[in-house]
Amino acid sequence: DAKTTQPPSMDCAEGRAANLPCNHSTISGNEYVYWYRQIHSQGPQYIIHGLKNNETNEMASLIITEDRKSSTLILPHATLRDTAVYYCIVRVANSGNTPLVFGKGTRLSVIA
Amino acid sequence: DAGITQSPRHKVTETGTPVTLRCHQTENHRYMYWYRQDPGHGLRLIHYSYGVKDTDKGEVSDGYSVSRSKTEDFLLTLESATSSQTSVYFCATSQGGGYTFGSGTRLTVV
Repeated sequence: DAKTTQPPSMDCAEGRAANLPCNHSTISGNEYVYWYRQIHSQGPQYIIHGLKNNETNEMASLIITEDRKSSTLILPHATLRDTAVYYCIVRVANSGNTPLVFGKGTRLSVIA
Repeated sequence: DAGITQSPRHKVTETGTPVTLRCHQTENHRYMYWYRQDPGHGLRLIHYSYGVKDTDKGEVSDGYSVSRSKTEDFLLTLESATSSQTSVYFCATSQGGGYTFGSGTRLTVV
């Protein structure tokens, strides 16, 4: 899996958009960008993934640059419950034999 | 997640004793994984399985063994527990790319 770089921590005011960046400059053409988050003491939770087009679901939006070397996860209206560690991972989709490799992620603190 | 059950949720054991952690899934997913999580290290892969009786080592497999005799169960065994294996252990399953994680087992080796 390609390596990713994320800032160690970020703060966001409650109700504002949280924009979490991720650099993946060595991503391969068949690798997707996945985002997971881990709320304190719980197992990681899948958020969203994408290949090259922007993606949106009920939890977040994923913006991938045209050269695919970086991406941004957007939580449009952050709440206190969004305080968590967010992991950006690149991997080939549907490749169970290539397990998820977690970095240290970004610790997002949503502040009231 | 309701589809994955880890047991026990908490365990305290003595150094040198064998310990088995169980992961049970009701999703019929092909792939199952064991991770450990320690402060400052994030999640690290211990072992994984890509089918019944098919397993492979992860990044931190020393001191651990696994077995998968049924699709729904993936067992992690510490043959002789050491204090360095004090950690939170997470099981995960996947089918088609997305992962689902269990709630974790907190293991303390004293």
